[in-house]
Amino acid sequence: AQKITQTQPGMFVQEKEAVTLDCTYDTSDPSYGLFWYKQPSSGEMIFLIYQGSYDQQNATEGRYSLNFQKARKSANLVISASQLGDSAMYFCAMREGPQTGANNLFFGTGTRLTVIP
Amino acid sequence: NAGVMQNPRHLVRRRGQEARLRCSPVKGHSHVYWYRQLPEEGLKFMVYLQKENIIDESGMPKERFSAEFPKEGPSILRIQQVVRGDSAAYFCASSRRTGGLHNEQFFGPGTRLTVL
Repeated sequence: AQKITQTQPGMFVQEKEAVTLDCTYDTSDPSYGLFWYKQPSSGEMIFLIYQGSYDQQNATEGRYSLNFQKARKSANLVISASQLGDSAMYFCAMREGPQTGANNLFFGTGTRLTVIP
Repeated sequence: NAGVMQNPRHLVRRRGQEARLRCSPVKGHSHVYWYRQLPEEGLKFMVYLQKENIIDESGMPKERFSAEFPKEGPSILRIQQVVRGDSAAYFCASSRRTGGLHNEQFFGPGTRLTVL
């Protein structure tokens, strides 16, 4: 089974509007961390936001917020007030905790966001 | 305050040649991870190293691929006798320590390998 699933290969959003990028995850480890990365056309991976499985509140970082629904195992990224520079690939990733013992990140297949002027 | 450095940024090899990819982690980071990204896919973990030790190589193909992180110098991902299927972007990430879910991995810009 896929550990991270991103079901939206591509998304379009009007400039200045908000957009939600979906991410669901699968783990039996009660302790895990969820990450979102942005990959612009230049190719580098830019860390955006982190949510821990025991965090009580949804994470926020500027225009980025994470809609964390633990029971549904979803960790959707919300980008508010979209800008043209937000056009990029967005990857959801997970690290599992000590029960699993993995040190690496598991990535989804990504969502390509295009912001329309 | 340099981040993770990878070189070369682009590498072209003919089938059967060797590819050597270098990664210099963030200063002070002793943990290095290599990931591979095939076209239109997400990153897939290959190997995790600490100085002079391979900790987890569960994602690395058993043949032709090797990695090292010597006491001095950058981490090297080596691919022998490259084939067209090795064409991909190879990303290196580093972290200060292991453990802790919020132990952020800082990514380099990647090396894009093209096998002709």
